[in-house]
Amino acid sequence: QVQLVESGGGVVQPGRSLRLSCAASGFTFSSYGFHWVRQAPGKGLEWVAVIWSDGSRKYYADSVKGRFTISRDDSKNALYLQMNSLRAQDTAVYYCATDGDVLTASKFYCHSWGQGTLVTVSS
Amino acid sequence: QSALTQPASVSGSPGQSITISCTGTSSDVGGYKYVSWHQQHPGKAPKLMLYDVSNRPSGVPNRFSGSKSGNTASLTISGLQAEDEADYFCSSYTSSSTWVFGGGTKLTVL
Repeated sequence: QVQLVESGGGVVQPGRSLRLSCAASGFTFSSYGFHWVRQAPGKGLEWVAVIWSDGSRKYYADSVKGRFTISRDDSKNALYLQMNSLRAQDTAVYYCATDGDVLTASKFYCHSWGQGTLVTVSS
Repeated sequence: QSALTQPASVSGSPGQSITISCTGTSSDVGGYKYVSWHQQHPGKAPKLMLYDVSNRPSGVPNRFSGSKSGNTASLTISGLQAEDEADYFCSSYTSSSTWVFGGGTKLTVL
């Protein structure tokens, strides 16, 4: 079955960088687009970024544009989020999620979610 | 990229039905069929409950249904059960090729 496992979270000082990873298994990785979604402590979900299945298109939330970069490595079945110039407001649990479902030919929604990794930005 | 508007909380007794609304604009909810709903229990990852307004993924009970009228989408849960108590978030694709979530609704089963 679909499994997504995020890693790379931790405590980082403001202004520093961090790279999150999402290891995927149980499905054909290259057939799917992926999202990153975050959730600040006690708050709601906030969409962060998306990457198309072929990697040709990437889109970002205004709150992270220019600081975060989403990427993928199909040879490793891995999704990444490079986070630079981190701010206290970036503190959150970061989830990766598949976009849509190839089996139903549906798209443009978060289908399967990982368990998340916590990023804390603090001095 | 303003968040979609959801009621902060709703409640219902076991066996009853409840509806959670999700209001956006013509640039998101009103403009596309790509509205989804996600359930989140405390300390857990979100789980997809509906996509394309009203489609249920495999394994989601048919007690969960969705609809949309204009800029407002709705999630209805009929025959409420104790395990339905959770936070529910709507989400929509937008005209900027981005996505937006609602602020979330806490469902309490009395």
